Parts: sequence; structure tokens; C-alpha cells
Amino acid sequence: DGGITQSPKYLFRKEGQNVTLSCEQNLNHDAMYWYRQDPGQGLRLIYYSQIVNDFQKGDIAEGYSVSREKKESFPLTVTSAQKNPTAFYLCASTGEGIGYGYTFGSGTRLTVV
Amino acid sequence: GQSLEQPSEVTAVEGAIVQINCTYQTSGFYGLSWYQQHDGGAPTFLSYNALDGLEETGRFSSFLSRSDSYGYLLLQELQMKDSASYFCAVTENFNKFYFGSGTKLNVKP
Repeated sequence: DGGITQSPKYLFRKEGQNVTLSCEQNLNHDAMYWYRQDPGQGLRLIYYSQIVNDFQKGDIAEGYSVSREKKESFPLTVTSAQKNPTAFYLCASTGEGIGYGYTFGSGTRLTVV
Repeated sequence: GQSLEQPSEVTAVEGAIVQINCTYQTSGFYGLSWYQQHDGGAPTFLSYNALDGLEETGRFSSFLSRSDSYGYLLLQELQMKDSASYFCAVTENFNKFYFGSGTKLNVKP
């Protein structure tokens, strides 16, 4: 079955560490997105990519980095510059057109320890 | 920029009808979407409205008025499994969506 796989499901980061969240899709979708969700809040856009080797900053890109070397993969790195990284991170994709909505992965819950 | 307003919480009984409103302000507008998210889960796409009017999909309907910058999600014959958070989202340029803060729907027996 086609879908988006995010790993790991839970991740713990020490202060000052960089961590990378994985997002892989087998839907043949061109566009991929990273959103952050804080408790009781909506989703805020971190980065998005509409084609391979190209990506754009969203509203809260500071302290994050991404790459899009393959159509299937859009990993997100949370760097030590992100001062409040504890959140639920969601990866999404869309292929037929944004009117058909996003397909979301199951998310990664990142906690700073 | 953009802003979206929706109620933070709504409570209804099983079998009833509930309406979740969303008002938005954007510099450009292409369409309004609705997503459902159960606790701890990922959002799932429910509907998309680009034109004025009502779109019906089973027990769920979504309405848009572009002139009023307003839309709503209507849930009929409520079931316990409908207890979740519901998010409206707007797209300004057909590249990405901006989400509201969500409405938590509590369905009681």
C-alpha cells in the first residue's frame, strides 16, 4: 500500500545535538512538506519542496534544515540552533494537486532531555 | 500574511448535528480545506472547497463563502468515533496550506 513513512516514532535529543527525522513516500508525489505541531496548536510549516533538489522555507524554518535528493525522501534535521524543538513533527505530500489534500505520515514526537 | 479563526472546543451528543465554523484572512485565496486528527494521530484530509457552496461527502459536508471569508464543516449523525480535532486550512497560492489552531469536538453518549 502506498503511503508516507516517518521514523522514528519517538526521538529524544540532548541539548546541543542535531537530529534527523526521516520521511519516505512511495506515492510518487512531487511535493513534500514538513509541519510542526505543538500541544493544542495548529500545524506550522517548516519547509516544503515541490521538486527534487529544490525546497523553500516555511514560516518557522530557523533552526531546521532539509534536503531533497530523491523524489521519495525529504529528511528534516533539527539543529542545535532550534531552541525549543520539543514538538510533534509531521511530514506530508501531495501529488494530484493541492485540492486533493495532503497525505500525512504518522509523525515523529521529538523530546529534548 | 494569513490568520484563521475557529472555536477551540465544541461538545455535542451522539446522533446530533454539529457545525464548526472557520473565518480567515489571507492576502490571496485559492481554497479552504478541512482535516480530522485523532489524539496522537496524523491529520486526515476531509474536504476542499475552491468555489462557493456546499460539498457533501457522506455524513460530512463543507461550505464556503468567498465573499464572507467564511466556511464551515457540518457533521451529521454524530458518532463517538467523530471525537477528534478538526482543522481548517487555507491555500493562498496553491503551493501550501496554512492551518487554523483546531476545534476539539467532544461527542457524548
